[in-house]
Amino acid sequence: EAGVTQFPSHSVIEKGQTVTLRCDPISGHDNLYWYRRVMGKEIKFLLHFVKESKQDESGMPNNRFLAERTGGTYSTLKVQPAELEDSGVYFCASSQVAGSTDTQYFGPGTRLTVL
Amino acid sequence: GNSVTQMEGPVTLSEEAFLTINCTYTATGYPSLFWYVQYPGEGLQLLLKATKADDKGSNKGFEATYRKETTSFHLEKGSVQVSDSAVYFCALYTSGTYKYIFGTGTRLKVLA
Repeated sequence: EAGVTQFPSHSVIEKGQTVTLRCDPISGHDNLYWYRRVMGKEIKFLLHFVKESKQDESGMPNNRFLAERTGGTYSTLKVQPAELEDSGVYFCASSQVAGSTDTQYFGPGTRLTVL
Repeated sequence: GNSVTQMEGPVTLSEEAFLTINCTYTATGYPSLFWYVQYPGEGLQLLLKATKADDKGSNKGFEATYRKETTSFHLEKGSVQVSDSAVYFCALYTSGTYKYIFGTGTRLKVLA
């Protein structure tokens, strides 16, 4: 069974440009999460989808970030326009059931560098 | 609010040394606790977990015990290998929040 995949693995853009990150969850997982790790700091929650609906987007930094999950399958995270402080590693995770013992399975991450 | 504090890294050990990576937490209610590991070039993998006080999670020779009285979940391994070199993240999950709270990660380097 394929794990969570993310694309691209690395993106280098200039300040002011737009970048779109993609996440394909494990097949059959209704729950999809985005997290971000800014260099040297903790991994922080961004948002949570249940199927195509945003369940919790309390961690989204500002309105330059837009996440979508059309059809409840893959998800995209768009940053427009990108700023220097957006650099970091963006992780996607998925789980079958959202609950206290449900394990979230993480992808390899996309490393975003904004110059 | 909920938080996780991990010991600062990097931690450098010789092969077969004993490993401890400290993790303490602050949380309301009764969180589940996790250790995730990120090997070079790979994603985060669940290493072990514990869902209630005094539970011990174990996997691949690693162990951690959920200590409610000290709000800790320290990761231990009796004899590390070069292949254990990775970044280790402690995390907690509180039912109803649907999100993990992670520590800053601890980089472990094991020398042959």
